[in-house]
Amino acid sequence: DQQVKQNSPSLSVQEGRISILNCDYTNSMFDYFLWYKKYPAEGPTFLISISSIKDKNEDGRFTVFLNKSAKHLSLHIVPSQPGDSAVYFCAASPVYNQGGKLIFGQGTELSVKP
Amino acid sequence: DAGVIQSPRHEVTEMGQEVTLRCKPISGHDYLFWYRQTMMRGLELLIYFNNNVPIDDSGMPEDRFSAKMPNASFSTLKIQPSEPRDSAVYFCASSWVGNEQYFGPGTRLTVT
Repeated sequence: DQQVKQNSPSLSVQEGRISILNCDYTNSMFDYFLWYKKYPAEGPTFLISISSIKDKNEDGRFTVFLNKSAKHLSLHIVPSQPGDSAVYFCAASPVYNQGGKLIFGQGTELSVKP
Repeated sequence: DAGVIQSPRHEVTEMGQEVTLRCKPISGHDYLFWYRQTMMRGLELLIYFNNNVPIDDSGMPEDRFSAKMPNASFSTLKIQPSEPRDSAVYFCASSWVGNEQYFGPGTRLTVT
C-alpha cells in the first residue's frame, strides 16, 4: 500500500514559469513532510520541509504548501530554472524531529526547458 | 565533512553470486538507512539502524538480503545469492536528531 503518492511521473515547464509538484498521503498520523531533489547518478538531497502545524514554508524560490484536510502537499518553484531539472521526491514521517524512517513517494521528474 | 560514502559505485555480477555493498555514514549521525530505487517502486526503505541496532527490517525483500552495522562508522548490505530482479540502485543514508536524511551517491547493481 503506497502511503505517499506522487501521481505525476513527469512534468515539463518553461524556464521562468512556475513548477508545481504534487504529493498525496493517506496516513493522518504523518507529522512532518520533506521534499528531496535528485540528479542523475547522485543521491537525493534535502530541499525543504514542513511540519504539520504549518500550512506553508518558504525558502527562496521554493515554497511547500500543506493541506492537512485534503492530505495533500505541493512544492512550488518560482521562477523555474533549467538547473531545477531533476527528480523530486516527497517524503513523510510520523514523528517530527526524532529521526527515524521516512516514507517516500515514487518521484516526479521535472524538466525545465530554456 | 565527506558526506555519506558508499562503495562500490557500480557492481556487475552474475546470478547466484554474493554481493556486498558498503556504507560509511556521516560522523555523529546515529541513524543509518538502506534504500533501493527501482523504476517500478521508487525509493523503498529496506532496513534502518539506530545506534548500530536494527530497528525496522520489514522492507527487506527476503532472506537473501541481510544487513549489519558492526560499529557507528560502517554498515554492509549483503545479497546472497543475487538474482537479476535485484538489479537496482541501492542508497545508504544517515541522519541525526532531525528528520533530514543525508544520502550517499548510491551503488548501481546489475545482476546478469
